[in-house]
Amino acid sequence: KNEVEQSPQNLTAQEGEFITINCSYSVGISALHWLQQHPGGGIVSLFMLSSGKKKHGRLIATINIQEKHSSLHITASHPRDSAVYICAVRSLRADGLTFGKGTHLIIQP
Amino acid sequence: NAGVTQTPKFQVLKTGQSMTLQCAQDMNHEYMSWYRQDPGMGLRLIHYSVGAGITDQGEVPNGYNVSRSTTEDFPLRLLSAAPSQTSVYFCASKNRLAGVETQYFGPGTRLLVL
Repeated sequence: KNEVEQSPQNLTAQEGEFITINCSYSVGISALHWLQQHPGGGIVSLFMLSSGKKKHGRLIATINIQEKHSSLHITASHPRDSAVYICAVRSLRADGLTFGKGTHLIIQP
Repeated sequence: NAGVTQTPKFQVLKTGQSMTLQCAQDMNHEYMSWYRQDPGMGLRLIHYSVGAGITDQGEVPNGYNVSRSTTEDFPLRLLSAAPSQTSVYFCASKNRLAGVETQYFGPGTRLLVL
């Protein structure tokens, strides 16, 4: 079983819809990251969370440490949000990141 | 700042050849790492370094060597390339400031081993 599971694997939505991507993990962590990988391949860090909630523009990330679960929300989605969204965790026992397989999001105009 | 740079962008090797993937960052980050990304799998950690002169193995280190002689550079060496090493390789660095940690990724190197 992967330490980091994301759902859904693929998501297609219409412009303007509210998007939720979920991440569950099975190990104790010190931090959780949300990353965005553009169609061209570049990877950008969106959030690092260790508790609570963070907001940046139309993106909101939440984490529930007790339930070992995090969500990434996109409000008023736009075609430029189309990308692969990746959840990654830094476990308590190691310094490197363990990644989920990513959620491929397509926003149609 | 250029951020994290990687060269080359694309490389084709024959089985058994050696090569070095270059990675450099100009942000004075202590921590640097190498990942590989394969279809249907998440990124996987190959090697990482917490500072000049210090390296350690990640999840999939076999077939790869690294060194960290300066803070800026963290090259990844393939001594004898194998088709199983066909992948996209990402170098990353990070800073830790007052509990905030931001990962910076290079643009990636696409490697094809024939």
